[in-house]
Amino acid sequence: QAVVTQEPSLTVSPGGTVTLTCGSSTGVVTSEHYPYWFQQKPGQGPRTLIFDTSSRHSSTPARFSGSLLGGKAALTLSGAQPEDETEYYCLLFYSRVGVFGGGTKLTVL
Amino acid sequence: EVQLVESGGGLIQPGGSLRLSCAASEFTVSPNYMSWVRQAPGKGLEWVSAIYRDDRTNYADSVKGRFTISRDNSKNTLYLHMNSLRAEDTAVYYCASHVVWGQGILVTVSS
Repeated sequence: QAVVTQEPSLTVSPGGTVTLTCGSSTGVVTSEHYPYWFQQKPGQGPRTLIFDTSSRHSSTPARFSGSLLGGKAALTLSGAQPEDETEYYCLLFYSRVGVFGGGTKLTVL
Repeated sequence: EVQLVESGGGLIQPGGSLRLSCAASEFTVSPNYMSWVRQAPGKGLEWVSAIYRDDRTNYADSVKGRFTISRDNSKNTLYLHMNSLRAEDTAVYYCASHVVWGQGILVTVSS
């Protein structure tokens, strides 16, 4: 089974920009991995932010965007807000079998 | 309001079986992509299983051969049949479509 890797932790300044990445042990991440990004706040269930690489859910703030960058999937947060401080997970699909990354804890400081 | 509501969790002994249900409202489980995702206490998310538009199913290696995903279109409900449960299956189980998530249901496997 493939291993999906994320930065364990990142820090961004309020109002700043940060990019979280999602890599694959099998090589380059492409749109055929249908990358997803989820946000999970403590004590809550996950919430879908981005699906199919760059499609934003209707409730996803416009400051979140998804892309492919340097062989990885990427989630860019532009204009970080205090409420964005939480855990983020990516999900990749390998022939219809999903594998989550280990999560990135984002600090807004 | 679009909702997915899980039920059927609880405490089960190792080796036992359990069936989780996920009832949908203002949303149809078929023919949409539907999945089960779990989260062990204090751990990250783990993709468990999914059923696709063509009704084909897939499973994580950790549950293959023990878990079965299915859906009942007449009841607009997704299921996860879990057999030969192990302590490491202890987790909150979420049902989810692409963008809609249930609130999660706790399954505890312990003697």
